[in-house]
Amino acid sequence: LAKTTQPISMDSYEGQEVNITCSHNNIATNDYITWYQQFPSQGPRFIIQGYKTKVTNEVASLFIPADRKSSTLSLPRVSLSDTAVYYCLVGAYTGRRALTFGSGTRLQVQP
Amino acid sequence: EAQVTQNPRYLITVTGKKLTVTCSQNMNHEYMSWYRQDPGLGLRQIYYSMNVEVTDKGDVPEGYKVSRKEKRNFPLILESPSPNQTSLYFCASSLEISYNEQFFGPGTRLTVL
Repeated sequence: LAKTTQPISMDSYEGQEVNITCSHNNIATNDYITWYQQFPSQGPRFIIQGYKTKVTNEVASLFIPADRKSSTLSLPRVSLSDTAVYYCLVGAYTGRRALTFGSGTRLQVQP
Repeated sequence: EAQVTQNPRYLITVTGKKLTVTCSQNMNHEYMSWYRQDPGLGLRQIYYSMNVEVTDKGDVPEGYKVSRKEKRNFPLILESPSPNQTSLYFCASSLEISYNEQFFGPGTRLTVL
């Protein structure tokens, strides 16, 4: 099971772009990379998922280099409401393996 | 509205008194799972179910039981709760397979005295 490493915390200011990098050196060929966001006392919420190169949706972008050993979640122009914990998950799209969340990155957005 | 519901949302109980936390989803999802979240430890998966009558252990299954008799329901059972099971519990569901987008319930805060 691919282990992920993320920064424990990050600080930013409103209006800035925030990039959170996740390291997953042991990613397997059939593994996908998924990011979730969690606010205090709420369940995690799916943000974005990708396999390679770049994926973009209305909330974020996900950049995955060719070797897939890391990935970067990019949040454009953050606001105070983006203050949350962000989790990077790596795992296969099929199979019975348990889903594992790491410790996540606590993003604090200041005014 | 598509959602995952959990009941109760808050529960205080005593050691050894059996309890069940219910989880229900209205999205016809095949995959459901339970997590616990503790400060400094992140989210850890307790049990998951790929389909009706199919369940499997996650990372921390000790002290818990689950059942999946119907597709929409996935109750978490604590036969003899202990204080170390005091935690915030989340139920989640997703379409078909494990790494698809998961939808989480609002959480159940359990305190075992």
